Amino acid sequence: SQQGEEDPQALSIQEGENATMNCSYKTSINNLQWYRQNSGRGLVHLILIRSNEREKHSGRLRVTLDTSKKSSSLLITASRAADTASYFCATEYSSYKLIFGSGTRLLVRP
Amino acid sequence: GAGVSQSPSNKVTEKGKDVELRCDPISGHTALYWYRQSLGQGLEFLIYFQGNSAPDKSGLPSDRFSAERTGGSVSTLTIQRTQQEDSAVYLCASSLARGMGPGELFFGEGSRLTVL
Repeated sequence: SQQGEEDPQALSIQEGENATMNCSYKTSINNLQWYRQNSGRGLVHLILIRSNEREKHSGRLRVTLDTSKKSSSLLITASRAADTASYFCATEYSSYKLIFGSGTRLLVRP
Repeated sequence: GAGVSQSPSNKVTEKGKDVELRCDPISGHTALYWYRQSLGQGLEFLIYFQGNSAPDKSGLPSDRFSAERTGGSVSTLTIQRTQQEDSAVYLCASSLARGMGPGELFFGEGSRLTVL
């Protein structure tokens, strides 16, 4: 399966702490994206990192990509209760196919 | 509309019946995707359409599943002779797909299918 794997599966932190989620994949990719999902419905795009990039920032989000290890991480700094959601990485392989990982459920306790 | 629209939002059907799920993508988006998500699980890729190219159907789980996209816009996912294991949320997404790769996907709110 091309599906990425994420860890941890679930993460519980206190408001104000940082949250780190990891994504590993198996074969070479073009780009990697991160998405957020509330309440098991539609997903919202967070950030896209290209295979020739190593790090990218967007507000409180920091994404890294290590193509030699076939892994990516998403760091959310100074977490808030509103960050509680599931987070998914999605890997782009040939053409337009986009495969999602299994997700990390993040709980930020007030 | 401004976003991806899916209908119905909820569908309850009996085992063996056929169902059709509809997706209206964002106007001008050339790529359209269908995913399936079982409770508490990740997204399972089903199919994508890109422009006038042949769709990538590699994720369809069985020949009971089919999808079409008419006029490069609206898409319908059809499940024939539904089974209980088909129960899931079916998510549709679209993207501009400019340049290399799909770019950012915009998701609908999904259609929750329950097969009794």
